[in-house]
Amino acid sequence: NAGVTQTPKFQVLKTGQSMTLQCAQDMNHEYMSWYRQDPGMGLRLIHYSVGAGITDQGEVPNGYNVSRSTTEDFPLRLLSAAPSQTSVYFCASSSAGGRNGYTFGSGTRLTVV
Amino acid sequence: AQSVSQHNHHVILSEAASLELGCNYSYGGTVNLFWYVQYPGQHLQLLLKYFSGDPLVKGIKGFEAEFIKSKFSFNLRKPSVQWSDTAEYFCAGGRGYSTLTFGKGTMLLVSP
Repeated sequence: NAGVTQTPKFQVLKTGQSMTLQCAQDMNHEYMSWYRQDPGMGLRLIHYSVGAGITDQGEVPNGYNVSRSTTEDFPLRLLSAAPSQTSVYFCASSSAGGRNGYTFGSGTRLTVV
Repeated sequence: AQSVSQHNHHVILSEAASLELGCNYSYGGTVNLFWYVQYPGQHLQLLLKYFSGDPLVKGIKGFEAEFIKSKFSFNLRKPSVQWSDTAEYFCAGGRGYSTLTFGKGTMLLVSP
């Protein structure tokens, strides 16, 4: 099992550019989430999904869009990148029962200049 | 609003010292609690979890945590730390498994 796969691992964007961070899981998990990690801030929830076709906002959703057309994939779109979006982004998934906690991807380190 | 707070941002210990990292939560009702570890340059890995039952939870690598409902606490402990335990530790809480709220993390540095 690959678990949760995130691509790319590193990305540099110019202010105003758009891009999509990819996340795929092969564990047939219903729940998927996107977090951003900033020094001293812990992990903050951006968007989450409880199943295909269902998404909702988390704590810091502004500037990001998501969609969940399949159980496996949960891409995160930056519409118009800003320096404040420089961060490390983690995708995570969990079964609906959740008794094994969340499985995290290896992260995408994004720098917006 | 639900929240999770961690008491210490940085902890420095010598090898073989005992460890206790504090975590408090502010959920009403049933709560699921987790401790995750992030080694330098890596992603988060689950150390242990509490859903119900025995309030003393044992996890991987010799870690344990105790759920004390009256104190809204879920502190992480290890009797004797090793240099390889140097990492950042995150407490997290959730209800219904759909999302987790994380504390801000505690950076543990173990000196050999």
